[in-house]
Amino acid sequence: NAGVMQNPRHLVRRRGQEARLRCSPMKGHSHVYWYRQLPEEGLKFMVYLQKENIIDESGMPKERFSAEFPKEGPSILRIQQVVRGDSAAYFCASSPNVPKRTNPGLGPGANVLTFGAGSRLTVL
Amino acid sequence: AQSVTQLDSHVSVSEGTPVLLRCNYSSSYSPSLFWYVQHPNKGLQLLLKYTSAATLVKGINGFEAEFKKSETSFHLTKPSAHMSDAAEYFCVVSGHARGYNKLIFGAGTRLAVHP
Repeated sequence: NAGVMQNPRHLVRRRGQEARLRCSPMKGHSHVYWYRQLPEEGLKFMVYLQKENIIDESGMPKERFSAEFPKEGPSILRIQQVVRGDSAAYFCASSPNVPKRTNPGLGPGANVLTFGAGSRLTVL
Repeated sequence: AQSVTQLDSHVSVSEGTPVLLRCNYSSSYSPSLFWYVQHPNKGLQLLLKYTSAATLVKGINGFEAEFKKSETSFHLTKPSAHMSDAAEYFCVVSGHARGYNKLIFGAGTRLAVHP
């Protein structure tokens, strides 16, 4: 089991160019999450996708950022017209299913996410 | 809403001495809590998780954490630090968003281990 595979590991772009980051989830996982880690900060949720569906994109900037998870192939995080502030590590995680809530008063079950090694974007 | 606060941005210990990384959480219901470790230029590795079973959770590499509801804390400890423990540690709470696992990360604690 190869785990969550992200590529490229490192990407350098000039301002105004496009960046495409790819994520192949673990075998058998159909849920993908993207997180961004700015320098000296923790990870911030960006988007949650299932196959062919965006479930929650509340953490995505409204402009220039988009994500997809097609029926075939990896999930793609796309950043158009990159700016220096986009320089960060972008982590992908996957999980096999949505945890079930057996009691509305309790939180969701802790289905563990498996993270990739990240893609480090540098914008010059 | 859920949130997590890591009380120390940097912790420095000597090899062989105990490690304590502090974390407080906020949650409107019984949370799921995790500790992840990130070595330089590497991905994240799960150390341990709490999911409303035993309050003392044992993880990998000798780490453990205790869930204390009265203190809303989930501190990470290890009896004896190794040089290889030097890394960034993240306390994480599972957010309640449409029933799925939306993880909310603390800002991280960088652990340095000196000979």
